[in-house]
Amino acid sequence: DAKTTQPNSMESNEEEPVHLPCNHSTISGTDYIHWYRQLPSQGPEYVIHGLTSNVNNRMASLAIAEDRKSSTLILHRATLRDAAVYYCILRDVRDAGGTSYGKLTFGQGTILTVHP
Amino acid sequence: EADIYQTPRYLVIGTGKKITLECSQTMGHDKMYWYQQDPGMELHLIHYSYGVNSTEKGDLSSESTVSRIRTEHFPLTLESARPSHTSQYLCASSESPDPTVIGTGNIQYFGAGTRLSVL
Repeated sequence: DAKTTQPNSMESNEEEPVHLPCNHSTISGTDYIHWYRQLPSQGPEYVIHGLTSNVNNRMASLAIAEDRKSSTLILHRATLRDAAVYYCILRDVRDAGGTSYGKLTFGQGTILTVHP
Repeated sequence: EADIYQTPRYLVIGTGKKITLECSQTMGHDKMYWYQQDPGMELHLIHYSYGVNSTEKGDLSSESTVSRIRTEHFPLTLESARPSHTSQYLCASSESPDPTVIGTGNIQYFGAGTRLSVL
């Protein structure tokens, strides 16, 4: 999997939007951009993923740069429950059906602190 | 919502004991994974399985072993626990991709983890 770079930590206030950046300058054309988060004492949970176009779901939005070398996870209104470690991961679309075993390579992620 | 369960959530055990960490999923997923995570550190893949009777070693060397006799069950065993095995163990599963729909099969669903302490 190609490498991603994220800030070690970010802080936000409750009910404010949060923009979590991720750089992936070596992304290939077949890499999906995935975001997972891990709440304290829990396993990671899937947040969102995309390939080229911006994506929205009930948890967050994903904004992908036109050259795909960076992306931003957007939490529109942070809550205390959003405090977690957020991981940006690249997954080759060919992994899912090819010979790869579909592993996720987790980096250090961004620790998000939300203040009341 | 994911239906993947790990038991026990917490386990404190003495050196030399044999332990089995249970992982079960009710989603019918073919692919299952075990990750190891030390506090504040990254997750590392230690085992994975494509399906029944398929098991492979992951990226991080581990003294544990796994088995996959049933689709829904992927237990991890340590024959003789040691303090160096103290860690959090996370199980995950993912569906096999639909070859007609690009990008499917990419999402992994994780259990809550087992936090193991070996004294």
